[in-house]
Amino acid sequence: EPEVTQTPSHQVTQMGQEVILRCVPISNHLYFYWYRQILGQKVEFLVSFYNNEISEKSEIFDDQFSVERPDGSNFTLKIRSTKLEDSAMYFCASMEGGQPQHFGDGTRLSIL
Amino acid sequence: GQNIDQPTEMTATEGAIVQINCTYQTSGFNGLFWYQQHAGEAPTFLSYNVLDGLEEKGRFSSFLSRSKGYSYLLLKELQMKDSASYLCAVRDQSNTGKLIFGQGTTLQVKP
Repeated sequence: EPEVTQTPSHQVTQMGQEVILRCVPISNHLYFYWYRQILGQKVEFLVSFYNNEISEKSEIFDDQFSVERPDGSNFTLKIRSTKLEDSAMYFCASMEGGQPQHFGDGTRLSIL
Repeated sequence: GQNIDQPTEMTATEGAIVQINCTYQTSGFNGLFWYQQHAGEAPTFLSYNVLDGLEEKGRFSSFLSRSKGYSYLLLKELQMKDSASYLCAVRDQSNTGKLIFGQGTTLQVKP
């Protein structure tokens, strides 16, 4: 069964540094998402992406964050000037129109 | 505002049936989804409802009442591996398809 794949599985970064989280969505999916889950808290929507542009973003997704689909397969989340509170699991998801979203295994981001 | 409520924790016995409830108040509605999440892992899709009624998928069933803003996930013939968090999520009416998640219900299955 096709899967959403994310790399790396764990990223440790010094506060203030930039990180790029990578995702390869399921190949025939057109809708892409990033969510985050702070330890012990609920899954929170960050951003949705369709037709090579952001379709919606949450209040969390401020100027510190950006997304890109640099080629036909990858979908990346960049976090600039990381803060301690950015430590969380970051999940990528993809979807065909109207169908359930499929989630990747996540990247655990630890900011020191 | 958006509000999705689920019990925080539940305990059940192996072989039994458990019902996990979810109530929601959202600015729009375009489907309710149930995901299973084991600790440290990704949410995996279980079931979804767009229209009122019961959807059955093997040992898992999900029910929706849109007029009451209410759903439940029913797990039958519980197995130890069913110990996990169960996430209720609403897809709102924006055409982006984003999901709004509840806090999740941690289910512990005991022998």
